[in-house]
Amino acid sequence: EDKVVQSPLSLVVHEGDTVTLNCSYEVTNFRSLLWYKQEKKAPTFLFMLTSSGIEKKSGRLSSILDKKELFSILNITATQTGDSAIYLCAAFERSARQLTFGSGTQLTVLP
Amino acid sequence: GAVVSQHPSRVICKSGTSVKIECRSLDFQATTMFWYRQFPKQSLMLMATSNEGSKATYEQGVEKDKFLINHASLTLSTLTVTSAHPEDSSFYICSATGTSGYDEQFFGPGTRLTVL
Repeated sequence: EDKVVQSPLSLVVHEGDTVTLNCSYEVTNFRSLLWYKQEKKAPTFLFMLTSSGIEKKSGRLSSILDKKELFSILNITATQTGDSAIYLCAAFERSARQLTFGSGTQLTVLP
Repeated sequence: GAVVSQHPSRVICKSGTSVKIECRSLDFQATTMFWYRQFPKQSLMLMATSNEGSKATYEQGVEKDKFLINHASLTLSTLTVTSAHPEDSSFYICSATGTSGYDEQFFGPGTRLTVL
C-alpha cells in the first residue's frame, strides 16, 4: 500500500525563524512529489519535484527530492505569520495517476 | 495556471436529502477528475477517480451507491451525496488533471457540507 509520512505533525515558531518540513514516501511506480499549502480552503500548489538533488525555489520557500532515500524536504526561511498553514506533500503514482497525501504539517508562525 | 471551480462552496441540508456538488475546469480540458474528502485536522482522502465518459473508480471503503459521480464532459464532474447523514458532513474537494498528462492536480476551492 502506498504511504506518505510527514513530520513533524505540528510546529510552532516565531517570525524570522527557518523551518524544515519532512516528507517520506513509499509508492510503487513513483513519478513525482508535490507540495501544497492549505489555509482555510483547498490546497494551493507550491512545488512539483521529479528529479533528485535539484532544488526548486520560490521566494523564501525551497524544496528538494532524494529519490534514493525516498524523501523530500520543504524549507521556509525568514518565516512570516502569513506562512501559517497546513503543508501537505503528496506522491504521484504513475499508472493510476493518483496522488497519495501525507497527513500534513500544521505550521504556526507567531509574531 | 489552470482554474477549477466548485459549486456550491457551502451547503447545509437535512438528513435524508441528496446534495449535488459540481466541479468544473474553467480554462482547460480535464481528462481525469478526482474527488477527495477532508475531515477536520486530517489530510485529504481520495474517494474516487473519474475519467470523462467512463465509470468512476472508487477507493476501498467508499460506497459508490452513496457517492454518485458523473463525469459527462471534459470540463464537468459532479458528486451527488445521496441520502446524506450527519456523518457525511465534511469538506469535499475536487481536482483535475489536463490532457497533457502532467502530474500536477489543480484543486477546486472545496465544498463544505453540513448535514443536520
